[in-house]
Amino acid sequence: QVQLVQSGPEVKEPGSSVKVSCKASGGAFNRFPINWVRQAPGQGLEWMGGINPLSGTTDYSQRFQGRLTITADESTNTAYMELNSLRSEDTAFYYCARKGGGDCSYTNCYIHGNWGRGTLVTVSS
Amino acid sequence: EIVLTQSPATLSLSPGERATLSCGASQSVSRSYLAWFQQKPGQAPRLLIYDTSSRAPGIPDRFSGSGSGADFTLTISRLEPEDFAVYYCQQYGSFPFTFGQGTRLEIK
Repeated sequence: QVQLVQSGPEVKEPGSSVKVSCKASGGAFNRFPINWVRQAPGQGLEWMGGINPLSGTTDYSQRFQGRLTITADESTNTAYMELNSLRSEDTAFYYCARKGGGDCSYTNCYIHGNWGRGTLVTVSS
Repeated sequence: EIVLTQSPATLSLSPGERATLSCGASQSVSRSYLAWFQQKPGQAPRLLIYDTSSRAPGIPDRFSGSGSGADFTLTISRLEPEDFAVYYCQQYGSFPFTFGQGTRLEIK
């Protein structure tokens, strides 16, 4: 069963950038894509984007186009989510998630079976 | 982008009762790639159901999913105290993946 360990909380000023990491252990890192999902305080879940570590292919929600970059480093089994031009509305918990195991085809390889504990990013001046 | 609408927003039931949660999509969900998640306060979401009706490992069989096309349902046959939480549906059949706004299941 893969475990996803995320980096610690961040406090950022408006206009700056944040980079959150997600380290995978207990499973082949490049076997399944990694998703990033965020949740503002008291709000619902929002899919931000994902990366296939094997191919490097990324898919992003249009809502974050131009501000979001998701990368993966196979040498350290770590995925990263970088969000630029931060504003107060970006204050949220940021989660990474990926499929735990089994077979897949098409986009069901993106099933969010295992989640990190979340990283709180606070944007405040 | 596929918009998912969950109903009701809040469901008030008692332990032992049956819960039926709905998720409607603005267009057909490709390959019925629809999942359900449970989230409790201060915790990450937990996958309950994937591919419309397959239970994730370790999920009790009182949880079941059904549906096709643009209409999906999560059923909890007999509510246990630990089932009171917020539930989200998600489609992952086409990019961008999207979540419903959630249904809060509360104790009556």
